[in-house]
Amino acid sequence: SAVISQKPSRDICQRGTSLTIQCQVDSQVTMMFWYRQQPGQSLTLIATANQGSEATYESGFVIDKFPISRPNLTFSTLTVSNMSPEDSSIYLCSVGDRGSFGYTFGSGTRLTVV
Amino acid sequence: AQTVTQSQPEMSVQEAETVTLSCTYDTSENNYYLFWYKQPPSRQMILVIRQEAYKQQNATENRFSVNFQKAAKSFSLKISDSQLGDTAMYFCAFSNTGNQFYFGTGTSLTVIP
Repeated sequence: SAVISQKPSRDICQRGTSLTIQCQVDSQVTMMFWYRQQPGQSLTLIATANQGSEATYESGFVIDKFPISRPNLTFSTLTVSNMSPEDSSIYLCSVGDRGSFGYTFGSGTRLTVV
Repeated sequence: AQTVTQSQPEMSVQEAETVTLSCTYDTSENNYYLFWYKQPPSRQMILVIRQEAYKQQNATENRFSVNFQKAAKSFSLKISDSQLGDTAMYFCAFSNTGNQFYFGTGTSLTVIP
């Protein structure tokens, strides 16, 4: 299965600033997914990132707040913009592993906004 | 719409004992996949086991097995010979495409020495 390197692993950010999270996959994948996991809760899909086209956002998430880049088949970034304490969460990237029909996840980014 | 329900927010088990985590789901699809993921304190989401809906045989991976009841839309996870390293959040998940997943709210499992 794919191996994903996600950076940074954690960060503490000031209110009103932005943070960009990077995910690098060791193989080419068509679709990458970005999830948010708020404290003590399950995973919520933010958006699906396809190479060469705009990301598809889920209800409640907008491009201005969570811009996503997907410049090639092995890399994607998620930016959390104009942060507020409500954005404090774990953010995870993942790819679909067609070999096992399961997701492979990055190690997550723990974001704290102060 | 697909929904996944885990009705046990927290569970505990004595080391070496067996524990069963419950999961139910709702879908109108006939072909789909079900998964159990483990998230230890390190945050890494790890695939534990998967089940294709068209297979009647329950999936097994070493100490982990499932009881898949398609008609009842139930998908429970049994952990045998529990080990301290099994302490984690466990998420049940559903997918009908192999790409987009729907996750339950999780069950926090503690293995007691």
